[in-house]
Amino acid sequence: AQSVTQLDSHVSVSEGTPVLLRCNYSSSYSPSLFWYVQHPNKGLQLLLKYTSAATLVKGINGFEAEFKKSETSFHLTKPSAHMSDAAEYFCVVSEIRAGNMLTFGGGTRLMVKP
Amino acid sequence: EAGVAQSPRYKIIEKRQSVAFWCNPISGHATLYWYQQILGQGPKLLIQFQNNGVVDDSQLPKDRFSAERLKGVDSTLKIQPAKLEDSAVYLCASSLDHGRQPNTGELFFGEGSRLTVL
Repeated sequence: AQSVTQLDSHVSVSEGTPVLLRCNYSSSYSPSLFWYVQHPNKGLQLLLKYTSAATLVKGINGFEAEFKKSETSFHLTKPSAHMSDAAEYFCVVSEIRAGNMLTFGGGTRLMVKP
Repeated sequence: EAGVAQSPRYKIIEKRQSVAFWCNPISGHATLYWYQQILGQGPKLLIQFQNNGVVDDSQLPKDRFSAERLKGVDSTLKIQPAKLEDSAVYLCASSLDHGRQPNTGELFFGEGSRLTVL
């Protein structure tokens, strides 16, 4: 069965400093991996996705993530945090064997201090 | 392009009452999903439709939850009778992907329906 573990439930950074949100996955087959963002009282929005092409994936708003099969990780990074980045972030795994059902991690709440 | 529409946005009921949520996906999206998001947790899939057929409902508590997508477009999710632990945000999502191809993976989510059971 596939699963996702987000290693930090809360991350706090200062504006202008780097962001690192950690994600580890478990999958029996070659997975697809995604990061979604959820702002308060808003729907989930896709940030970026990995689907077996380039291992370094660039997304919207300056975010990127690197797929590392040997470490079963898909950490999300951004060089410089902005106040508008404060939100909940979800790492998601999917595999064709599971009928492309998405499995969400528990989420990481990112707080950005001025 | 209009997004995924859900209603109502908020609902407060007492336990043992019933409630229904409605979702209208993005036009042309074959696949529709209902997720339950309990406060502080990630969304959990309840049911996945492809057109008007059920692809996966293994995590739907069928003794109290039901969902339908009769014409392959909009969908309703019903809870009857509600329990305290059903308090959550119910998210509807849709996608073009037909579930058996290499996964494009992008689901488009509505803003959710927040249920409070007292």
